[in-house]
Amino acid sequence: EADIYQTPRYLVIGTGKKITLECSQTMGHDKMYWYQQDPGMELHLIHYSYGVNSTEKGDLSSESTVSRIRTEHFPLTLESARPSHTSQYLCASSGQAQTYEQYFGPGTRLTVT
Amino acid sequence: KNQVEQSPQSLIILEGKNCTLQCNYTVSPFSNLRWYKQDTGRGPVSLTIMTFSENTKSNGRYTATLDADTKQSSLHITASQLSDSASYICVVADRGSTLGRLYFGRGTQLTVWP
Repeated sequence: EADIYQTPRYLVIGTGKKITLECSQTMGHDKMYWYQQDPGMELHLIHYSYGVNSTEKGDLSSESTVSRIRTEHFPLTLESARPSHTSQYLCASSGQAQTYEQYFGPGTRLTVT
Repeated sequence: KNQVEQSPQSLIILEGKNCTLQCNYTVSPFSNLRWYKQDTGRGPVSLTIMTFSENTKSNGRYTATLDADTKQSSLHITASQLSDSASYICVVADRGSTLGRLYFGRGTQLTVWP
């Protein structure tokens, strides 16, 4: 069982609200990732981090932002939620090896009404 | 363009039967190929990871094969159980970047009926 946690698991929120999705891992991994997944579709990388104070945008353009102030914590923020942000958000972390294992959290199902 | 294609899109089998899921990829340069199991509403969990030199890898009732020449992989599930009902995702990593970018297939949705 991977030690990576996401909260909340489910969130229903109105348009225009600011939200923060939390992700924490206790494995001491330097690399962390945020993916977005719609039903029946592949995971898309939206943000990643090599370590503290390192954040990069992924393949899929996203209006969200991330921060990495501590190794174990990688929160994702949406300043003004819109219905188009409705999706499943998955956080993951990995070590440095070439065949690194990416461990995924349980995900946050976000619905913006 | 780096892509990962999986087939079939969905599959229904009876409990106790075997099945094989397919994955074709065009990712280059290739680093490794993984199979993940994703239960509904959960994050993916790794089943196997194979590098270029590995042809077969097993994890209990799951056996993955890799043909790096034809860029094909398969996941064979033996003696299926109801708990095998999930989406099975093929993921290919490239070695062309420091990040080791992962390319995800859309998954095969497997349903096991009693």
